[in-house]
Amino acid sequence: KQEVTQIPAALSVPEGENLVLNCSFTDSAIYNLQWFRQDPGKGLTSLLLIQSSQREQTSGRLNASLDKSSGRSTLYIAASQPGDSATYLCAVLTGANSKLTFGKGITLSVRP
Amino acid sequence: NAGVTQTPKFQVLKTGQSMTLQCAQDMNHEYMSWYRQDPGMGLRLIHYSVGAGITDQGEVPNGYNVSRSTTEDFPLRLLSAAPSQTSVYFCASSRTGTSGGGTYNEQFFGPGTRLTVL
Repeated sequence: KQEVTQIPAALSVPEGENLVLNCSFTDSAIYNLQWFRQDPGKGLTSLLLIQSSQREQTSGRLNASLDKSSGRSTLYIAASQPGDSATYLCAVLTGANSKLTFGKGITLSVRP
Repeated sequence: NAGVTQTPKFQVLKTGQSMTLQCAQDMNHEYMSWYRQDPGMGLRLIHYSVGAGITDQGEVPNGYNVSRSTTEDFPLRLLSAAPSQTSVYFCASSRTGTSGGGTYNEQFFGPGTRLTVL
């Protein structure tokens, strides 16, 4: 059974800091990995998707990498801003029926 | 595109009542799914559908029914609500394809329905 872990559960950083959010998964036979952002009381917004054949994807100040063999992904946020404060969830897609397994998320607070 | 829409946004039920959570998407996606999100538990898959007329169970299907008569709609029915079903429910639809020799399935989520069962 696929398990996805995100540690730590919460993170507080000063504005302007570059930061890395980690995600690990137990079954390397994945189709893709997706990073989401969730604001309090809101739905999930897709940030980046990395296919199993890819090593990284970039969107603006965000860069996500994937090391399938070691079961790890990182989300790099450059020059963090208070508006980046949210919960970031990692999810991996496994199985023929495309089941998405989520980590519990990292709640990020960026202090002005 | 409205994307994935869900109604209602909030709902309070009494134990034993039944109701249907609505989900619709206008992206012509074949794959749709329902999740519940609970504190400390993360998101868990309830039911999913790979196309009209085809549904299957996820991780936590008990107490819920689904059907998929059209590509656009995927309603979730609570048969007899219980306090343990108090949660936030999210519907998602997926864009699937192949690229660079690999398969992908990118999921897009609705805004959620916050359900309280008393």
